Amino acid sequence: GEDVEQSLFLSVREGDSSVINCTYTDSSSTYLYWYKQEPGAGLQLLTYIFSNMDMKQDQRLTVLLNKKDKHLSLRIADTQTGDSAIYFCAERSNDYKLSFGAGTTVTVRA
Amino acid sequence: GAVVSQHPSRVICKSGTSVKIECRSLDFQATTMFWYRQFPKKSLMLMATSNEGSKATYEQGVEKDKFLINHASLTLSTLTVTSAHPEDSSFYICSATSGRAGTDTQYFGPGTRLTVL
Repeated sequence: GEDVEQSLFLSVREGDSSVINCTYTDSSSTYLYWYKQEPGAGLQLLTYIFSNMDMKQDQRLTVLLNKKDKHLSLRIADTQTGDSAIYFCAERSNDYKLSFGAGTTVTVRA
Repeated sequence: GAVVSQHPSRVICKSGTSVKIECRSLDFQATTMFWYRQFPKKSLMLMATSNEGSKATYEQGVEKDKFLINHASLTLSTLTVTSAHPEDSSFYICSATSGRAGTDTQYFGPGTRLTVL
């Protein structure tokens, strides 16, 4: 994940919005992904965005992409305790491989 | 849809033994599977890419004789850690796509926790 960077921790109050940020370096990235990992489990695909899009909304999730700044964010509206997990952003390059960030641990407090 | 399973979920073995981990796509044909390794509180590191019916492509620094990968069918890939040592202890995760060379979205298995004593 040296080409993809994320903040490591985020604490948010239940009911508030969470915003997780990610920066990447590969300008040829075609798709960018957000995955969720709960303790001891694999990765669950949350959402993805094609590189020619600026925004994608899917229920409580909103993805914003600033391709010029190579900045990706994931907003979770009305954060719930079940949203506590590690969130990984990943970029897919032209060789179809994924590069992951180190993950942001989101803790939802009551 | 797009369910990927791994077996076993957890394995403990003695140093020097070999361990096989299976990755299966349950409801789609996976032409490409990827094997990752995840260290505690770290990101996923891609180990190798395997396309059905051909030899796996290993990432730089990954020993192909140590981590044997077989993708014999469109629904099954196996990773064998040969002569395991404590430093091989890790969380191994596979992913699968239905596109050649991983052109489609990768769907991940639940992971296998390997502990080598």
